[in-house]
Amino acid sequence: GIQVEQSPPDLILQEGANSTLRCNFSDSVNNLQWFHQNPWGQLINLFYIPSGTKQNGRLSATTVATERYSLLYISSSQTTDSGVYFCAVERRTSYDKVIFGPGTSLSVIP
Amino acid sequence: DGGITQSPKYLFRKEGQNVTLSCEQNLNHDAMYWYRQDPGQGLRLIYYSQIVNDFQKGDIAEGYSVSREKKESFPLTVTSAQKNPTAFYLCASSIGATSGSPSYEQYFGPGTRLTVT
Repeated sequence: GIQVEQSPPDLILQEGANSTLRCNFSDSVNNLQWFHQNPWGQLINLFYIPSGTKQNGRLSATTVATERYSLLYISSSQTTDSGVYFCAVERRTSYDKVIFGPGTSLSVIP
Repeated sequence: DGGITQSPKYLFRKEGQNVTLSCEQNLNHDAMYWYRQDPGQGLRLIYYSQIVNDFQKGDIAEGYSVSREKKESFPLTVTSAQKNPTAFYLCASSIGATSGSPSYEQYFGPGTRLTVT
């Protein structure tokens, strides 16, 4: 089946710093989603992005489907950005409709 | 206020007992999903349902059972056959494939932390 990798696995940032998280996938996908899991476990939708670039406040995402990767940019990080960031890819040709990557754990320190 | 609710937030059971986790959504979504998350790990799919009265096994269905008798409800039973049931369980829903504008964009509930001793 399709493989999803995320890098880096862990990241520590000083408040105010910028960061880039990466998601690589091994086969073509119909769509891709980025989530933020907060310290209480809630998964929050960030972006649903099959290709191109989207922005929402300090966060933006770019997916290059032909090269099988997506990037999540966090600018001017805040302590509330801490948590785990997951990408999940969608394939409609198999029963594995949505497959999650292992996540990037982000800690933003004041 | 639309969304997905899971109850209870924390659940404790003795080994050998079956336990049912609740998941309800009022988003009018056709598709619903159950995931398991172990500490420091990603999400693994247990079961999913594309439409009422139909469901399919995911990657780790052994020891679990589900039902989908109503569009808004997708309860998960963790049976005594599940060898390591202690985990964080997340329910999700999406519009699904059966509507005029299919989408698998997933929305998650707050989760249930199950501890079995």
